[in-house]
Parts: sequence; C-alpha cells; structure tokens
Amino acid sequence: TQLLEQSPQFLSIQEGENLTVYCNSSSVFSSLQWYRQEPGEGPVLLVTVVTGGEVKKLKRLTFQFGDARKDSSLHITAAQPGDTGLYLCAGAGGSNYKLTFGKGTLLTVNP
Amino acid sequence: NAGVMQNPRHLVRRRGQEARLRCSPMKGHSHVYWYRQLPEEGLKFMVYLQKENIIDESGMPKERFSAEFPKEGPSILRIQQVVRGDSAAYFCASSLGSSSKNIQYFGAGTRLSVL
Repeated sequence: TQLLEQSPQFLSIQEGENLTVYCNSSSVFSSLQWYRQEPGEGPVLLVTVVTGGEVKKLKRLTFQFGDARKDSSLHITAAQPGDTGLYLCAGAGGSNYKLTFGKGTLLTVNP
Repeated sequence: NAGVMQNPRHLVRRRGQEARLRCSPMKGHSHVYWYRQLPEEGLKFMVYLQKENIIDESGMPKERFSAEFPKEGPSILRIQQVVRGDSAAYFCASSLGSSSKNIQYFGAGTRLSVL
C-alpha cells in the first residue's frame, strides 16, 4: 500500500512570511499533484510534477519533485491571507489513475 | 465550460435508508472516479468507471455500496442501508483518459450525514 505523509499537519503564520510544506513517501510515484481545498469545496489542482528533480513555479508557489520521485515540497513566498486553505498532495502510482492522497496541511495566513 | 457537477451538495439520511449521489463529468470526459473523505482523513479512492463499465472498484466496501456510469446520464454512487460510519464527503472526479498525465478534475462533493 502506498502512503503519503504530509507535514506539518497544521501551520499558522503571519502575512508576508515564507513557508514550506512537505510530502513524503517510501514509494515511487509516476507523477505527483498538489491540490488546494477550501471548506465545503472540492480539491482544485495547482500543479502536476512528473520528472524527478522537476521544479515548477506558479507565481509565489514553488513545487519540487524529489530526484527519486518519492517526495515533494511546496514553498510559498510572502504568504497572503488568500493562501489560506488545505493543501493536499496526491501521487499516481503503477495504476496511474488511482490517486493516493496525503491527509493535507491546513494553512492559515493571518493578516 | 461547466466543471464536474455533483448533487446534492448535502444529503441527510437516517440509518437504514438509501443514499444516491450523482456526478456529471466535465464535457468530453468519459472517465469518472469516486473518492471518500472521512473526517481527519485524506481522500481515499473508491471506484473508477468508464461509460457502462466498472474498471476498478478495489476501494469500494464489498457490501451496500455500488456505482454505475450509464451510457446516458450521470454517474451514480449508491449506498444502501446507510450506517453512521458512512457519514463523509464523497467526491467525484473526471478525466479525459486514465494515464497519470490526464488530470483529474474534482467536483465540489456531496456531504452525507447519517443520523
């Protein structure tokens, strides 16, 4: 069974601070996706990383896929209150279509 | 372009009743996935369907749960004789294909509460 561990589970910071969220596994994934989920809504895809060592940037968000494709990180620069939400990582393994989700990191950015 | 549509958004059932959750995929998508999110847990894969076919139901409980994706109409997740432990958010996702390069787009979910 593939498992994804996310850390930290909760994170509360002040506006303007930087933060990093981690997603780790002992399994290799063919791709890894990051989603953001707001209360009462479904997950919204932020990015997909496919290649080991890949780095993708989305405005103030930087995503990195580990060289061995077992882990990933999400770094947010100068966080804003609008970044508040539940950040989920999800990996696609051998079956490709079956996403394995982490439990998420609940981020609160205080003004 | 309409996204993945799920209804109802909230569903309340008493123990022993049936729950029917509907999902209309994004236009042009023929692959549908159902996930369940329990409180304090991550989303768990339940079932993967294509039109008129169940491809993988390895995440579905063996009893009381069934899913279909008919030729016409939405995909249906059906839970018979609901119990309190079925209370959860049920999410549907759809994609163009089934490879890891085909993004799964999620609906807003159905929150099921069993009294």
